[in-house]
Amino acid sequence: DAGVTQSPTHLIKTRGQQVTLRCSPKSGHDTVSWYQQALGQGPQFIFQYYEEEERQRGNFPDRFSGHQFPNYSSELNVNALLLGDSALYLCASSLVALAGDQETQYFGPGTRLLVL
Amino acid sequence: RKEVEQDPGPFNVPEGATVAFNCTYSNSASQSFFWYRQDCRKEPKLLMSVYSSGNEDGRFTAQLNRASQYISLLIRDSKLSDSATYLCVVNRGSSYKLIFGSGTRLLVRP
Repeated sequence: DAGVTQSPTHLIKTRGQQVTLRCSPKSGHDTVSWYQQALGQGPQFIFQYYEEEERQRGNFPDRFSGHQFPNYSSELNVNALLLGDSALYLCASSLVALAGDQETQYFGPGTRLLVL
Repeated sequence: RKEVEQDPGPFNVPEGATVAFNCTYSNSASQSFFWYRQDCRKEPKLLMSVYSSGNEDGRFTAQLNRASQYISLLIRDSKLSDSATYLCVVNRGSSYKLIFGSGTRLLVRP
């Protein structure tokens, strides 16, 4: 049973460039969330996709955008990269919970982005 | 003020010791609570959910105090392999996002 997979594992970009990160959810999961983790900090929620729509968004600028495909995989796009975008980008997948149930999120290994 | 606060540590303990981590959250609407473990340069992995009545999983015990908005994790008989960062995580019932603390680093020495 494949877990959450992400690609690429590492990426180096320069300021102003654009980047696309990819995520495949755990088998049977239909929801994908993206998080940004700066060094020494906990992950920060960027957004969540369900049924190919952005279901919720965190406090990130419009430079951060995403997409979910019919097979539930997802992409995170970041435009006009800034030095401060250097971080570990984590994808988490889950199965949409029934009302009252907890929705447990499982994380992929992340993409480490360095912006120079 | 951060919504989830944790002591960053590090907690440096010998093998076999008992160690406890605490975490406070500021939003009383928080409804789900978790502890995740994160090894260096790896992804967070779910250690355990935290239930109102408290729960135990082997050497790990989690407690929740809703009145004080406080969560704890107790690790008994520490192993070298327990060395990691422990992330306290909450979720508000009306929201899908997980809100993470900055983590508490644990070092277990021989």
